[in-house]
Amino acid sequence: NAGVMQNPRHLVRRRGQEARLRCSPMKGHSHVYWYRQLPEEGLKFMVYLQKENIIDESGMPKERFSAEFPKEGPSILRIQQVVRGDSAAYFCASSWDNTGELFFGEGSRLTVL
Amino acid sequence: DQQVKQNSPSLSVQEGRISILNCDYTNSMFDYFLWYKKYPAEGPTFLISISSIKDKNEDGRFTVFLNKSAKHLSLHIVPSQPGDSAVYFCAAYGGATNKLIFGTGTLLAVQP
Repeated sequence: NAGVMQNPRHLVRRRGQEARLRCSPMKGHSHVYWYRQLPEEGLKFMVYLQKENIIDESGMPKERFSAEFPKEGPSILRIQQVVRGDSAAYFCASSWDNTGELFFGEGSRLTVL
Repeated sequence: DQQVKQNSPSLSVQEGRISILNCDYTNSMFDYFLWYKKYPAEGPTFLISISSIKDKNEDGRFTVFLNKSAKHLSLHIVPSQPGDSAVYFCAAYGGATNKLIFGTGTLLAVQP
């Protein structure tokens, strides 16, 4: 499967725990984006990364959220000390250029109990 | 500040008729406009795009129209099919931003 791979597809955490979401971009893509979709809402931009660099993190909450895209391995979105309001679908997307045509993964659904 | 707006949360159309989904934007510096389709429990998939220097782009049953003076674009699907039933997101890219900005989506239901 050469598409954007996200895992886990579903993740359940208790309040205060950490959530780690992983994303492997499509082969040849060097741009990675994370979006969040809250229930009954649209897709909200969180962060844009290239290998080893955060290009734009203007959509990331200031605390508890971090993202990385290391030289080797998948991109990671990390949420520390999760709260119920973090429950959402988190989508990763990748692209090879800057025309905005992003290829999305199937999403990781985080549920915080 | 919602830069991309889809004012119709839902639309119902009969099979074989035309579906018209609308989108408005506020930033005149956007370079590209895109439409994505999303089924439940799946990621969005790219459908069609248009550059800001064009006013129409057609791909099979799908046509996107751009009216820059009105800051408005629309997606026409004709003829509509039941398999087109999904949420459609309008998105915009470019200007001073590196990110794709999405509207809130329109749920299209095509009735057989």
